[in-house]
Amino acid sequence: ETGVTQSPTHLIKTRGQQVTLRCSSQSGHNTVSWYQQALGQGPQFIFQYYREEENGRGNFPPRFSGLQFPNYSSELNVNALELDDSALYLCASSLVAGDHNEQFFGPGTRLTVL
Amino acid sequence: AQTVTQSQPEMSVQEAETVTLSCTYDTSENNYYLFWYKQPPSRQMILVIRQEAYKQQNATENRFSVNFQKAAKSFSLKISDSQLGDTAMYFCAFKNSGNTPLVFGKGTRLSVIA
Repeated sequence: ETGVTQSPTHLIKTRGQQVTLRCSSQSGHNTVSWYQQALGQGPQFIFQYYREEENGRGNFPPRFSGLQFPNYSSELNVNALELDDSALYLCASSLVAGDHNEQFFGPGTRLTVL
Repeated sequence: AQTVTQSQPEMSVQEAETVTLSCTYDTSENNYYLFWYKQPPSRQMILVIRQEAYKQQNATENRFSVNFQKAAKSFSLKISDSQLGDTAMYFCAFKNSGNTPLVFGKGTRLSVIA
């Protein structure tokens, strides 16, 4: 297992609600990336945070937002939930040192929107 | 934009046999990284093997090896002596140099049969 943890494990929400997902990065890592993995698909990049600043964003609307805290843990917030937001949300932490920046994944949060 | 294609949605292999998973990618970059990730059922995604594009030698990690064909933009994974614990989704992923996100394929579901 990696040292990346996520909470909660599972979550059920209804359309229009808001949700916050949390990620604790591996010790010493200063970068957190969030991915959305729809059923039967590969993970899609949402955004990345480096030293508390957003550092790259994928093709996701502004209702997907995030934060990174001084201890490098991170939150993903999704407003105005839609049915298509149902997915496994993965966070991955890495250390910006060297070029390949290996990413270590958490177990994910399974979000179901009804 | 970079894309990653895995043309085999599902594969199966007998225990102790060898299996090869295919992956092709598209990029105009010259310096990048390729990865194979394993996602067991209900478990965390973990890195199986990594290849730097500037290295001609194919990467190997115990029973796992790759066939990296840069000109053909092909990056296949060979699993030798397959074990029941190899049953999982396998994702091929691409990453540009620097602090950039991973781009994943849609995955190949591998079943190892006793």
